[in-house]
Amino acid sequence: QVQLQESGPGLVKPSETLSLTCTVSGGSVSSGSYQWSWIRQPPGKGLEWIGYMYYSGTTNYNPSLKSRVTVSIDTSKNQFSLKLSSVTAADTAVYYCATERSVSWSVFDYWGQGTLVTVSS
Amino acid sequence: QSALIQPPSASGSPGQSVTISCTGTSSDVGEYKYVSWYQQHPGKAPKLMIYEVTKRPSGVPDRFSGSKSGNTASLTVSGLQAEDEADYYCSSYAGSNKVFGGGTKLTVL
Repeated sequence: QVQLQESGPGLVKPSETLSLTCTVSGGSVSSGSYQWSWIRQPPGKGLEWIGYMYYSGTTNYNPSLKSRVTVSIDTSKNQFSLKLSSVTAADTAVYYCATERSVSWSVFDYWGQGTLVTVSS
Repeated sequence: QSALIQPPSASGSPGQSVTISCTGTSSDVGEYKYVSWYQQHPGKAPKLMIYEVTKRPSGVPDRFSGSKSGNTASLTVSGLQAEDEADYYCSSYAGSNKVFGGGTKLTVL
């Protein structure tokens, strides 16, 4: 059973870079079973897929965020991370890390509990 | 505006059946078998309920079922129980992109 835990600042200033880390237990980021993913949910709104990294280094991002997003993996710490640059108030959301099955699509089995990031000066 | 269109609300009495629709396009729901459904209780992370249109993960009651016709996918909850009251989101593969619906709040009367 994979467990995920997000961590990072809860408050980010406009124009700065949002950085979050997801610590994985019960599984390995070096496993080919999953694509290590980020999804966000603005307060009171729906879900939005942000992107993923696969253990091989392959990445894929939401076209609407692609120019600002980087997802990376740290195998030594069994973690994966999200960086979102040039943030605005519209980036205020609960950010979830999740696993997406590598043998299917849009199948997010395991989720972190989510972390609220507020963009404000 | 969300990529997939869901009704904002649905309701039913205990024991009844409710169906929630999810309308996309020929580039997502209509093109691929990769439609999933997620249940989200307030303040909690989403939970996978249905994947690949009709499949249920281990542990999900068989009261939950999925289907698809053309560009519209559906989630049916049979034998409604109080604990089924939650928000439900559909998701579809869209050719290297993943899109979600805006969510449907299911109320058990």
